[in-house]
Amino acid sequence: QPVLTQSSSASASLGSSVKLTCSLSSGHSTYIIAWHQQQPGKAPRYLMKLEGSGSYNKGSGIPDRFSGSSSGADRYLTISNLQSEDEADYYCETWDSNTRVFGGGTKVTVL
Amino acid sequence: EVQMLESGGGLVQPGGSLRLSCAASGFTFSTSVMTWVRQAPGRGLEWVSGLSGSGDSTYYADSVRGRFTVSRDNSKNMVYLQMDSLSAEDTAVYYCAKASGYVEYWGLGTLVTVSS
Repeated sequence: QPVLTQSSSASASLGSSVKLTCSLSSGHSTYIIAWHQQQPGKAPRYLMKLEGSGSYNKGSGIPDRFSGSSSGADRYLTISNLQSEDEADYYCETWDSNTRVFGGGTKVTVL
Repeated sequence: EVQMLESGGGLVQPGGSLRLSCAASGFTFSTSVMTWVRQAPGRGLEWVSGLSGSGDSTYYADSVRGRFTVSRDNSKNMVYLQMDSLSAEDTAVYYCAKASGYVEYWGLGTLVTVSS
C-alpha cells in the first residue's frame, strides 16, 4: 500500500507564501492525492484533489490563495498571501482499492 | 448542504464496547462511499474503516480488523461503527466522512475515551 511522507512543520511570514510537500512512496508515484486542512480544535476540511499531472480541483469555498502542483512522486500545496487563519495542520491523503492512507501532517505556523 | 453528524462517543472501560452512529444528509447517501477516520490526542489522522454505497463491501485498517464492524442503513442515511475489545490505543476523536476516492466531506467528530 502507498505511504505518504510530509515534513512535520513549516513556517512563513504573514502575507508571504509557503509550499508544502507530500511524497508518495516508490511504485505509487502516479497516485492522486487530496489535501486537507485542520485548524486548531476543528474537524479537518477538504482543500483539493491533486493529480500527478499537476491538475487540481478545489473544494467549495476554498480561497484562490490555495493551489496545487506535482513533480514526479511529489505533490505540493502552495498557500500564497499567507493569512493568520492559515495556521493549521495540513494532511495529504491517498487511497487504494481497499485502503486509505494519510500523511503524518505538516504544522504551518504564520510568523 | 452536505452534513455528517456523529454520536455515541464517550468513556468506556478497556475491553468494553461502543457503537458510533453517523447521520448523513445533503447528498445521495445510498451511492456514496462512507469512511471512518480517527485522531488520537495530539496525533495525526488515521483511517479506520470504509464501506461501499450498498454496504456489501467493507474495509478495515489492520489496527482494528476483527474488533470493529462498519455498517450502514440506507433507509435512514446512517452509518455505524461497532467497536469491541477496546483498548487505550483506541482513544481518539472519530470522524465520519463521505468519500469519492478521496474524503470530500468531514463530520465534526465524536470523542471516544478508553480508560478505567
